[in-house]
Amino acid sequence: SQQGEEDPQALSIQEGENATMNCSYKTSINNLQWYRQNSGRGLVHLILIRSNEREKHSGRLRVTLDTSKKSSSLLITASRAADTASYFCVIVSGGGNKLTFGTGTQLKVEL
Amino acid sequence: KAGVTQTPRYLIKTRGQQVTLSCSPISGHRSVSWYQQTPGQGLQFLFEYFSETQRNKGNFPGRFSGRQFSNSRSEMNVSTLELGDSALYLCASRPGTGVDNYGYTFGSGTRLTVV
Repeated sequence: SQQGEEDPQALSIQEGENATMNCSYKTSINNLQWYRQNSGRGLVHLILIRSNEREKHSGRLRVTLDTSKKSSSLLITASRAADTASYFCVIVSGGGNKLTFGTGTQLKVEL
Repeated sequence: KAGVTQTPRYLIKTRGQQVTLSCSPISGHRSVSWYQQTPGQGLQFLFEYFSETQRNKGNFPGRFSGRQFSNSRSEMNVSTLELGDSALYLCASRPGTGVDNYGYTFGSGTRLTVV
């Protein structure tokens, strides 16, 4: 498969808890990005981490990248019901022109 | 500024027909790429255009084609539709190409149903 693998496939948590999702890939990368998708609509860009970066923060989001293990993780802290969505990692390679998508994690945040 | 606009939003076509989908990128963005999303295969890359040239192509049959105009708007065409072509088709734009480390801005997609 050309897809990146995401784990878990689905995650259900209570509001206020943290959510962690993981992405593993097979190729060398230019950068890795995380996106959110609500109800089968368009994807919304969340955060980008370059291949020479190890950790990045944006608001309640924290992403890590381990190129030796070919893996990345996305942490959403203090989750809210509005965070309920599918989350995809996107592996950018081939000089920046080739995108490979992860299988996605369905996050449900309950009140 | 306006986002990425895809038209139409929904489309129902009959097997064997052909279909054309349209994508208008964010003003100033020169790279437009297309993706297919299905429950079984997930999100898959179709192709990417920059300055009216196809720069990269995914593993789809020749029935899937596209083009980009001088104003960066892009169209995607699927000929001889099959039931398995039913999917959400997404396009995305970004400022340029190469490793410019910009995120992609996606449109809301066109949901194609083939009956």
